Amino acid sequence: AQRVTQPEKLLSVFKGAPVELKCNYSYSGSPELFWYVQYSRQRLQLLLRHISRESIKGFTADLNKGETSFHLKKPFAQEEDSAMYYCALNPTGSEKLVFGKGTKLTVNP
Amino acid sequence: ETGVTQTPRHLVMGMTNKKSLKCEQHLGHNAMYWYKQSAKKPLELMFVYNFKEQTENNSVPSRFSPECPNSSHLFLHLHTLQPEDSALYLCASSQGRGTGELFFGEGSRLTVL
Repeated sequence: AQRVTQPEKLLSVFKGAPVELKCNYSYSGSPELFWYVQYSRQRLQLLLRHISRESIKGFTADLNKGETSFHLKKPFAQEEDSAMYYCALNPTGSEKLVFGKGTKLTVNP
Repeated sequence: ETGVTQTPRHLVMGMTNKKSLKCEQHLGHNAMYWYKQSAKKPLELMFVYNFKEQTENNSVPSRFSPECPNSSHLFLHLHTLQPEDSALYLCASSQGRGTGELFFGEGSRLTVL
């Protein structure tokens, strides 16, 4: 079965500290993984996708097939990073995304 | 108007009412989706339409009835709902080319009394 697990419901860090939001997935095929973000009073939007291997707003995420993980990292958190973060799995080519429950990140001043 | 627009933003209905949620996308996309977001649960995919054809019904009860008259519009007709159906209903669209990038609306917050 396809499943995405985000073990932390809440994560709180101080400004300037490193942050890592954890995501583990369960999928038998070759996965496509994404991070979506929802800032306060804004709609859910794509943050980054593993296939692009890009850094967006200082965030990166590396797909680790051995550990079936796709953790989101940022070396120095900013207050404006406070948001809900959702990890999502796209079964190959389907666009029927499977989402995790989300992690609420709070960056304190 | 750009992006994905959902109306109404808030809806309160009784269990015997019939109401509809509307979604419109101005992005020229070919695929549209309904997701349900409940407290303490992950986003749940309900329906997928590709070029107006339903390609996914994720075991959704028949009291939810989708309609997609064209690639730009998607409706969710609601009838004899239960209080546990109270949730945020999100509409999304995509190019339908398997990129995995969905564009979401702001959602319709439904409360069933």
